[in-house]
Amino acid sequence: QQQVRQSPQSLTVWEGETAILNCSYEDSTFNYFPWYQQFPGEGPALLISISSVSDKKEDGRFTIFFNKREKKLSLHITDSQPGDSATYFCAAASQGTGSKLSFGKGAKLTVSP
Amino acid sequence: AQTIHQWPVAEIKAVGSPLSLGCTIKGKSSPNLYWYWQATGGTLQQLFYSITVGQVESVVQLNLSASRPKDDQFILSTEKLLLSHSGFYLCAWSPGQYQDTQYFGPGTRLLVL
Repeated sequence: QQQVRQSPQSLTVWEGETAILNCSYEDSTFNYFPWYQQFPGEGPALLISISSVSDKKEDGRFTIFFNKREKKLSLHITDSQPGDSATYFCAAASQGTGSKLSFGKGAKLTVSP
Repeated sequence: AQTIHQWPVAEIKAVGSPLSLGCTIKGKSSPNLYWYWQATGGTLQQLFYSITVGQVESVVQLNLSASRPKDDQFILSTEKLLLSHSGFYLCAWSPGQYQDTQYFGPGTRLLVL
């Protein structure tokens, strides 16, 4: 059972546009949501994260919007750049358990110049 | 600063042969350690995690085993490789003590023929 779902699976935007990647989850105990960025042949890198006590987290061009009631979150990448082309993974965990991070299937973003 | 190193970078092995992959964390004492497997273009599947030396928990059975012989070292191994073991193996660490953010290593690419 996929506990974390991502959509779309792939997305293409033009340089300068805003890319929106969506994520939803099933487990109501999840309270920590990191997003990872992965380039081909490399390990995932933590991009930005949010806890369930917040409804928004911003870091430069990257913003997470979180809706606890609907169990949904989204990653907005403003002013997208070709260097942002990568696969983005949404993940979720119950903070403090220290053991399991559940990942979505990933979303491949392509930014065309 | 913490650094994570994985070895080897890549392996090509025959079906039925043994395998040993390694991971070392420097700059952090008593981290939580994790092994993940990623199929090409796929999501990240957690295989094992360890919160202390000598203690390893299995998350998914894939005819693999893991050990933590030292505080900063995590080993993934099997005596007989299967074709299905091909993929990208990632080691990750987290600070532990209710800090669940996981940081990934560069990965090891494995091809089983």
